[in-house]
Amino acid sequence: DTEVTQTPKHLVMGMTNKKSLKCEQHMGHRAMYWYKQKAKKPPELMFVYSYEKLSINESVPSRFSPECPNSSLLNLHLHALQPEDSALYLCASSQSTGRGLLAYGYTFGSGTRLTVV
Amino acid sequence: DAKTTQPTSMDCAEGRAANLPCNHSTISGNEYVYWYRQIHSQGPQYIIHGLKNNETNEMASLIITEDRKSSTLILPHATLRDTAVYYCIVMGSQGNLIFGKGTKLSVKP
Repeated sequence: DTEVTQTPKHLVMGMTNKKSLKCEQHMGHRAMYWYKQKAKKPPELMFVYSYEKLSINESVPSRFSPECPNSSLLNLHLHALQPEDSALYLCASSQSTGRGLLAYGYTFGSGTRLTVV
Repeated sequence: DAKTTQPTSMDCAEGRAANLPCNHSTISGNEYVYWYRQIHSQGPQYIIHGLKNNETNEMASLIITEDRKSSTLILPHATLRDTAVYYCIVMGSQGNLIFGKGTKLSVKP
């Protein structure tokens, strides 16, 4: 299995809702990432997990809450979002660091298109 | 901030070679050059990467200058399906993939 699977593909939520985005990989990668991409902009790094521990939080508002329950799964919990949070949310995975990371880079999922109404 | 500079957009005729340049004048000795592309509304796709030597795979070739301050991605026979945003990214073994603005390549019939 050489894929990163993201669900759902599309999500519409109200500003008072709580929802979660899910990301799964079975490549044995020990680093996982969340990116946010607004229309016509490059992806922006949000969170980095290494060996199931949060290693980087790029000053993301607390209404976004990441979780890494195990080495294959990454969640992004959403609560009280704003319309400006509407974007494509991308998950990626990689060998954690070192030669494995350099040799293979990141593998990305297809993303979840989130619309906040 | 991204460590690379790329043209905003480029056109290429179908069947011709597409040559996408990238400047990375501040690259460190242990940093690699990666190329990814993103077709509309899909996740970024890995294309190729290199350190010093030129590299080739089934998708593309990567030419890195001797001083490593710039590189060129070559798609030898561009097709309409190669229309995408192409990102040139510099990354080391402890770094993270940070995207710049990329080059929007339009392949035209």
